[in-house]
Amino acid sequence: GAGVSQTPSNKVTEKGKYVELRCDPISGHTALYWYRQSLGQGPEFLIYFQGTGAADDSGLPNDRFFAVRPEGSVSTLKIQRTERGDSAVYLCASSLAGQTEAFFGQGTRLTVV
Amino acid sequence: GEDVEQSLFLSVREGDSSVINCTYTDSSSTYLYWYKQEPGAGLQLLTYIFSNMDMKQDQRLTVLLNKKDKHLSLRIADTQTGDSAIYFCAESKANSGYSTLTFGKGTMLLVSP
Repeated sequence: GAGVSQTPSNKVTEKGKYVELRCDPISGHTALYWYRQSLGQGPEFLIYFQGTGAADDSGLPNDRFFAVRPEGSVSTLKIQRTERGDSAVYLCASSLAGQTEAFFGQGTRLTVV
Repeated sequence: GEDVEQSLFLSVREGDSSVINCTYTDSSSTYLYWYKQEPGAGLQLLTYIFSNMDMKQDQRLTVLLNKKDKHLSLRIADTQTGDSAIYFCAESKANSGYSTLTFGKGTMLLVSP
């Protein structure tokens, strides 16, 4: 595709449920990033993949959050036992290896009720 | 405290220059970035500066970096109503991807006709 695609664009879930958020990076981009943006805040780094491996997962807030990128392309962010505080826009970005510019998707707005 | 700090709001008239300021704390940051976010839209990279530079100019945008004071500014010349958006300052994290970033809370720029 032309840009980073994230699905779904909106997700409403009940507290305690499990959710998966998907990111399709720009074709050929080996670096992939997940961020979380709460209302009125700047994006907060979660995890960075280089290829299939998580090169930096220091931003994941706790063990309820997990992300995978099994084939080095599409990535899925998984959140277990969701809490109301997880409500935010989850952003994905991708870039070529060694490139300073990352391209962001439109985000998935997650609402936990 | 915040790793990256920005003033929250700036209002200018069309045609004036806008200056958005930012302070950061990580002296090991390799790159410093300015992103733009319009309502309902994703993050768009405006410009970035390598940490060993003190100025970068790109058309209407001028970035100034004072590494000693850890101060970064973005000047927009001849500001237009289409420049109204939230502007985020961000610093890269050492020993991670170039786009493993710590963002400020953003400065809302309002340009009036």
